[in-house]
Amino acid sequence: AQSVAQPEDQVNVAEGNPLTVKCTYSVSGNPYLFWYVQYPNRGLQFLLKYITGDNLVKGSYGFEAEFNKSQTSFHLKKPSALVSDSALYFCAVRVPPGRTDSWGKLQFGAGTQVVVTP
Amino acid sequence: DGGITQSPKYLFRKEGQNVTLSCEQNLNHDAMYWYRQDPGQGLRLIYYSQIVNDFQKGDIAEGYSVSREKKESFPLTVTSAQKNPTAFYLCASYRQGARNTEAFFGQGTRLTVV
Repeated sequence: AQSVAQPEDQVNVAEGNPLTVKCTYSVSGNPYLFWYVQYPNRGLQFLLKYITGDNLVKGSYGFEAEFNKSQTSFHLKKPSALVSDSALYFCAVRVPPGRTDSWGKLQFGAGTQVVVTP
Repeated sequence: DGGITQSPKYLFRKEGQNVTLSCEQNLNHDAMYWYRQDPGQGLRLIYYSQIVNDFQKGDIAEGYSVSREKKESFPLTVTSAQKNPTAFYLCASYRQGARNTEAFFGQGTRLTVV
């Protein structure tokens, strides 16, 4: 069964410092990987995705993520955090078509609260 | 505007009643999902549908039902069998294909049992 783990409930960082939010996954085959952000009482906003190709993907608002197949990780990074980056971040995995009966199932991690202090 | 719309934004239900949450999208997306969000537990998948007239159970389907009679609509019914329905419910959709594979989310419905 596919799964996603976000090992940190919360990440605290000072404004201007690098931000990293960790994500590891477990799924057979080559997964589709995603990062989303959620502000209070709102839906999720898409940040970036890895489907295939370059392991380093760039997304919205200066975020990037590195796909590491050997470590089954997809960590989210931002070189210089802003106070406005404070939000709840979710990693997600989806099984590509044709792999298993559960293809298309979009599974989320538990989320990581990011707090950026001025 | 294209998008995915959930209604209502807030919903109150008496114990023992069924209630239906609406999710409509005009993005011509094939797949649709329903998630439940509780504090500290992230998003848990209730049901998902890849095509019209077909859907699959997610991880926490008990006490919920869905239908997919039209491509644009994927309503979720929270039945009286769901013992703890108070939560934030999110609907999502995506277009199957090589590139347009990220899911888009609605703004959510907050259901409270009174």
